Amino acid sequence: DAKTTQPTSMDCAEGRAANLPCNHSTISGNEYVYWYRQIHSQGPQYIIHGLKNNETNEMASLIITEDRKSSTLILPHATLRDTAVYYCIAGKTGNEKLTFGTGTRLTIIP
Amino acid sequence: DTAVSQTPKYLVTQMGNDKSIKCEQNLGHDTMYWYKQDSKKFLKIMFSYNNKELIINETVPNRFSPKSPDKAHLNLHINSLELGDSAVYFCASSQLRGGRFYEQYFGPGTRLTVT
Repeated sequence: DAKTTQPTSMDCAEGRAANLPCNHSTISGNEYVYWYRQIHSQGPQYIIHGLKNNETNEMASLIITEDRKSSTLILPHATLRDTAVYYCIAGKTGNEKLTFGTGTRLTIIP
Repeated sequence: DTAVSQTPKYLVTQMGNDKSIKCEQNLGHDTMYWYKQDSKKFLKIMFSYNNKELIINETVPNRFSPKSPDKAHLNLHINSLELGDSAVYFCASSQLRGGRFYEQYFGPGTRLTVT
């Protein structure tokens, strides 16, 4: 799986959009970008995944650059409950094995 | 209804003991996993079972033995517990669709403390 690089921590004001970047410059053509988050003391929670196109679901949007070397997870209207560690993972299409890095600790500020 | 459940939530035991953690999923998924999250919060996969067959075994000591009695259950048995086994253990499940796995659903975790 390709290595990913994320900022260690970020703050975002409540109600604003939270934009979490991820670099995956060595990603291969058949590797997806997955985002998970882990709220304190809970199990990781799937957010979204994508291959080439931008994706949106009820939780977030995923913007992948055209060269696929980086992506951004967007939480459109952050709430206090979005405070968590966010993990960006690049994995094969089968992706039986998720390799979690250190993630970005996102703190939503009231 | 809990999608992926684990028991117990907390487990405190002494070195040398043998213990088991149970996991059940009611999502109808055919693949289940065990992950370990250590004190530094690194989350690493340990095992994966697909239709009761072991498909991933990540350099885990053979004191750890997963058992899958059916597709909905994946239990983790640990023999001769050591201090370094103290961690949070997460169970997860996913479904093979079109030859590919996508999202994994995680349980709430079992915090194991070995004294």
